[in-house]
Amino acid sequence: ELKVEQNPLFLSMQEGKNYTIYCNYSTTSDRLYWYRQDPGKSLESLFVLLSNGAVKQEGRLMASLDTKARLSTLHITAAVHDLSATYFCAVISNFGNEKLTFGTGTRLTIIP
Amino acid sequence: KAGVTQTPRYLIKTRGQQVTLSCSPISGHRSVSWYQQTPGQGLQFLFEYFSETQRNKGNFPGRFSGRQFSNSRSEMNVSTLELGDSALYLCASSFLGVQYNEQFFGPGTRLTVL
Repeated sequence: ELKVEQNPLFLSMQEGKNYTIYCNYSTTSDRLYWYRQDPGKSLESLFVLLSNGAVKQEGRLMASLDTKARLSTLHITAAVHDLSATYFCAVISNFGNEKLTFGTGTRLTIIP
Repeated sequence: KAGVTQTPRYLIKTRGQQVTLSCSPISGHRSVSWYQQTPGQGLQFLFEYFSETQRNKGNFPGRFSGRQFSNSRSEMNVSTLELGDSALYLCASSFLGVQYNEQFFGPGTRLTVL
């Protein structure tokens, strides 16, 4: 069974700092998604990563995928308060049931 | 282009009752997936429908069922509600399915079981 782990689960950081959220998964996959969720809201798609070495950037967020290491990272540069949210990665296994398996989520709080 | 819509947005039921949730996908999208989100279990996949057929199913009991209509709208039904069914239920649509295309999520239905 595919398992997706994120760390840290909680992250409190100051504005202007850089940090990275990690997403590890347990089986072969080259399809990984990052989502953002604000409190009480739905999921907003951030990045779709579909191949080894894929890197995508949007504003202060950059996501990358290393399929050999079964690892994706979401890097935050010079954090601002608006980035406070919960971030989820989600993976589809290359084998078997093609369903989306979500990580535990990382609750990010940016402190002024 | 209108996004994914879900109705109702909030629902309160009592144990033993049943409930039906509705999801209208983005126009042209043929795949609809349902997810349950709880603080304890996180986001879990319930099932996916494509062209009126259930294509994938998660690990939920048979009390959870769904269907899709010819216009791609989907309904999810939960029978004999339990306290543990209290959750945010999210619907997502994509053109052919998440394995091929990006998924877009609706606002969710928050179900409270008393």
